[in-house]
Amino acid sequence: ETGVTQTPRHLVMGMTNKKSLKCEQHLGHNAMYWYKQSAKKPLELMFVYNFKEQTENNSVPSRFSPECPNSSHLFLHLHTLQPEDSALYLCASSFSSGSGADTQYFGPGTRLTVL
Amino acid sequence: AQSVTQLGSHVSVSEGALVLLRCNYSSSVPPYLFWYVQYPNQGLQLLLKYTSAATLVKGINGFEAEFKKSETSFHLTKPSAHMSDAAEYFCAVRYSGGGADGLTFGKGTHLIIQP
Repeated sequence: ETGVTQTPRHLVMGMTNKKSLKCEQHLGHNAMYWYKQSAKKPLELMFVYNFKEQTENNSVPSRFSPECPNSSHLFLHLHTLQPEDSALYLCASSFSSGSGADTQYFGPGTRLTVL
Repeated sequence: AQSVTQLGSHVSVSEGALVLLRCNYSSSVPPYLFWYVQYPNQGLQLLLKYTSAATLVKGINGFEAEFKKSETSFHLTKPSAHMSDAAEYFCAVRYSGGGADGLTFGKGTHLIIQP
């Protein structure tokens, strides 16, 4: 397996469910990201992890809880979501050199539908 | 705050015609600029990026972009459109702040290729 993989690719959940999204990168990167892509809106950065430490939380509601156990894996734990949370959730990774020019590599995304 | 504006949510060109997708950024410091492409049901793929080494940047699939500081622009062009270019295109910006920073994306431009 190469690149950035995400599972599941599609998820339907009720507002009272608890589920998790998984992301894995096979590129030897040290930074990982969660983005939310909603219809009619720009991609929104949610969380950033650098060397397993969360360095950015972009005012995301607490019903989204990230976890980064190591530099290759990133999770997004979901609980008591709202219908407006339905979106494509994209994971990305990069090798952070500190310059800002690093390329982020994206996974295919998880299409989440909240009923 | 950094921001990116993509003019035109939809652009339609004929196969073989010039493709021009517009991107303007707001900045008081030199930015790093990226163009990504997203095909249906897929994640984002990097087309090219500007890192201050050269103002004219060549990318994959025959695309190129020119950084114009005086116009705060980074428009994407391709001399001859192909049917396979039909996709969503995103311009993104990041400023040199050190560490792992997320990207700020424009709203995207949907490129339609007419046969």
